[in-house]
Amino acid sequence: RKEVEQDPGPFNVPEGATVAFNCTYSNSASQSFFWYRQDCRKEPKLLMSVYSSGNEDGRFTAQLNRASQYISLLIRDSKLSDSATYLCVVNPTGGFKTIFGAGTRLFVKA
Amino acid sequence: DTGVSQNPRHKITKRGQNVTFRCDPISEHNRLYWYRQTLGQGPEFLTYFQNEAQLEKSRLLSDRFSAERPKGSFSTLEIQRTEQGDSAMYLCASSLGDTVRETQYFGPGTRLLVL
Repeated sequence: RKEVEQDPGPFNVPEGATVAFNCTYSNSASQSFFWYRQDCRKEPKLLMSVYSSGNEDGRFTAQLNRASQYISLLIRDSKLSDSATYLCVVNPTGGFKTIFGAGTRLFVKA
Repeated sequence: DTGVSQNPRHKITKRGQNVTFRCDPISEHNRLYWYRQTLGQGPEFLTYFQNEAQLEKSRLLSDRFSAERPKGSFSTLEIQRTEQGDSAMYLCASSLGDTVRETQYFGPGTRLLVL
């Protein structure tokens, strides 16, 4: 089993739609969680950290479910500019090694 | 530009040759990471430094790979006796702080093609 697993997609949604991605992780002791965004042929950039209580940043909401060992990302009112690959990132050991999922591709269509 | 920079941006080499990549982190960032990314996959952790100390190295990293960060500033990643399977994008990231929650800022990467 991979340490971090994501649905690769692609997710094809129209503008204005709400879309959700899930990511599961295998190490129950994992301490830190993030979502990064990667545009085609570009470097990854932090989208948001994921906190135990859940957190929201504009149209983006991230949640953590420790019991089921998954994190989620909800995007509301999708924009064309949201088209990208969304990478789930987990810090599994409390050290500084970070594990990236393979990413979920999102295409937002006009 | 005060972001993370990497050189060269592209490298084509023949199998068996040695290659070296350089990463210049954001000034004063104490942590520096190296990742490898292949098509359709997320970045794969290779190693990281806190200042000049290499604190963790992936078990996936063979002995042909070595990284250094002299003086805790720029870092180099060397691959000896390259193989076709080494073809990938090599990403460097840096962060500042003492916890695992700091944002990692990535450079544009070095794309390696081994013929």
